[in-house]
Amino acid sequence: DAGVTQSPTHLIKTRGQQVTLRCSPISGHKSVSWYQQVLGQGPQFIFQYYEKEERGRGNFPDRFSARQFPNYSSELNVNALLLGDSALYLCASSLVSVSTEAFFGQGTRLTVV
Amino acid sequence: DAKTTQPPSMDCAEGRAANLPCNHSTISGNEYVYWYRQIHSQGPQYIIHGLKNNETNEMASLIITEDRKSSTLILPHATLRDTAVYYCIVRGPNFGNEKLTFGTGTRLTIIP
Repeated sequence: DAGVTQSPTHLIKTRGQQVTLRCSPISGHKSVSWYQQVLGQGPQFIFQYYEKEERGRGNFPDRFSARQFPNYSSELNVNALLLGDSALYLCASSLVSVSTEAFFGQGTRLTVV
Repeated sequence: DAKTTQPPSMDCAEGRAANLPCNHSTISGNEYVYWYRQIHSQGPQYIIHGLKNNETNEMASLIITEDRKSSTLILPHATLRDTAVYYCIVRGPNFGNEKLTFGTGTRLTIIP
């Protein structure tokens, strides 16, 4: 069975540009969450989408946005990139219930120069 | 979600049991304790979770104290592949809210 897949795996962008990251959840998982992990820190929650609706948002500026499609895949968009946006961006999918585990993809490594 | 406290780093000899502690003194009665680990530059991997009772699966055991203010993750026979950062996370049973709050975790190094 395919796990959570993210694309691209690596990306280099220039300050001020825009970027779109993609995530395909595990089949049957309707919840997708996005996390940012900068070097030396734990992942930080950005967004969660469930049934195409935003269910949670972390403390990130409006330059960050996301959406979920009818097939439950998701995109994360970041506008006006800053050097500080350089990080590993992780996508996680899960079944939604009282207590279930999240399954993470391998991430997209974004470098802003 | 309750805050957790973990030691920043630990070493364990290969083949021995690795015991990783976590304090969560403000945990609420309906909050679960989750453990994830992250091997260098990979996505976090789920290990185990529990509410009140001790839990065991093919990867590890989770021991939760009776007052639920702390827990210990046990890797029974550590191998070099268990070298990773281990995160202890407390999360409420909010249906539809899948947010995980990661701290800085414990960097476990398995020594040959």
